[in-house]
Amino acid sequence: DSGVTQTPKHLITATGQRVTLRCSPRSGDLSVYWYQQSLDQGLQFLIQYYNGEERAKGNILERFSAQQFPDLHSELNLSSLELGDSALYFCASSAYKDRGAQETQYFGPGTRLLVL
Amino acid sequence: AQSVAQPEDQVNVAEGNPLTVKCTYSVSGNPYLFWYVQYPNRGLQFLLKYITGDNLVKGSYGFEAEFNKSQTSFHLKKPSALVSDSALYFCAVRDVDSGGYQKVTFGIGTKLQVIP
Repeated sequence: DSGVTQTPKHLITATGQRVTLRCSPRSGDLSVYWYQQSLDQGLQFLIQYYNGEERAKGNILERFSAQQFPDLHSELNLSSLELGDSALYFCASSAYKDRGAQETQYFGPGTRLLVL
Repeated sequence: AQSVAQPEDQVNVAEGNPLTVKCTYSVSGNPYLFWYVQYPNRGLQFLLKYITGDNLVKGSYGFEAEFNKSQTSFHLKKPSALVSDSALYFCAVRDVDSGGYQKVTFGIGTKLQVIP
């Protein structure tokens, strides 16, 4: 158990809908990262937050957004969903910002999203 | 743009034999290199990382990786494979751009099959 929790575990929705995925980092970790894993695209980094602020951005679509709250949990919002958004979405956390590129990330179990 | 290549979709090795999972990278600055393992229906687990210093990095579960700057490689190795090592292995590179933003790129993954 990595200490990172994600809810829900599974999510089934329809095209055009909007969903919110939630992540709670390990106790004491200030950085949260979001990743998407799909058969087509492999594992892709989406976005990172550190202590409530956006810190890095990867291949995140404009239809997707994220935020980190004062209690450090994070939410990934996916809107206008398309079939191709079906994937496993992982959250990870780590402790530091300045050494963020070096720090070990601890991954949650993921949320499996199916868009029908 | 940075990139990571894992040239083998699958690696088969007999239990007890040494294993190697290959990874090459391309990055403009100094690379931060990582290996992760993903067991079926589970999230990613950190194995090891190279930041600087000794080119041979030791990690979890008896794995090690050798950083070779001239060949831009970071191959994962283990002296004696176990059946329980069968999983999907991801190589990743992180870089920091001029704006201080991290960029993380994963390889497509290599499936390791250890045969009893």
